[in-house]
Amino acid sequence: NAGVTQTPKFRVLKTGQSMTLLCAQDMNHEYMYWYRQDPGMGLRLIHYSVGEGTTAKGEVPDGYNVSRLKKQNFLLGLESAAPSQTSVYFCASSRDRGKTDTEAFFGQGTRLTVV
Amino acid sequence: GESVGLHLPTLSVQEGDNSIINCAYSNSASDYFIWYKQESGKGPQFIIDIRSNMDKRQGQRVTVLLNKTVKHLSLQIAATQPGDSAVYFCAENIKEYGNKLVFGAGTILRVKS
Repeated sequence: NAGVTQTPKFRVLKTGQSMTLLCAQDMNHEYMYWYRQDPGMGLRLIHYSVGEGTTAKGEVPDGYNVSRLKKQNFLLGLESAAPSQTSVYFCASSRDRGKTDTEAFFGQGTRLTVV
Repeated sequence: GESVGLHLPTLSVQEGDNSIINCAYSNSASDYFIWYKQESGKGPQFIIDIRSNMDKRQGQRVTVLLNKTVKHLSLQIAATQPGDSAVYFCAENIKEYGNKLVFGAGTILRVKS
């Protein structure tokens, strides 16, 4: 049981380049989240999804897009990377809270540097 | 502690002492709260959770207290150990288009041996 897996673990981009971060979970969770964490700060929610085919904006959605075509995958896209998007990105997933309270499980993080 | 600018507050405790980490949450409609521990270079890990219809919940060496009147959450760690050194985050579940998990700023816990 791998839990939540993020790909890649590290990436360096040039300003203006695009990329996609992949998050995969094998726990059949309904909810998935993308966060960014900057040095000395907490996690800020970028986008989240409450089920396959759904997405919603979080606290800091600008400059990012997401897709949830399959229940187990949640993709985070940067269309035109900016230095301000240099951060560590975490993906998380959790069960449907309508059934039972449950914590979110996190991936190991993706360290992205935009130069 | 209260967050100051971009720097996380730091709590330093002596090994064996009890630690109390505080968190203020934002939304009075939040119905579920979680404490996470994050060690350097790793993702957050679940510690303990509490629903809004409770005011206290105990785990192994940890206790979470919830005061809905002032929207305050605390994490108490008994007999703090060096392995408890980490950044601690509280998170609230906000009912907005489904459930949205939002994190507080975090507190650094340093345990002195």
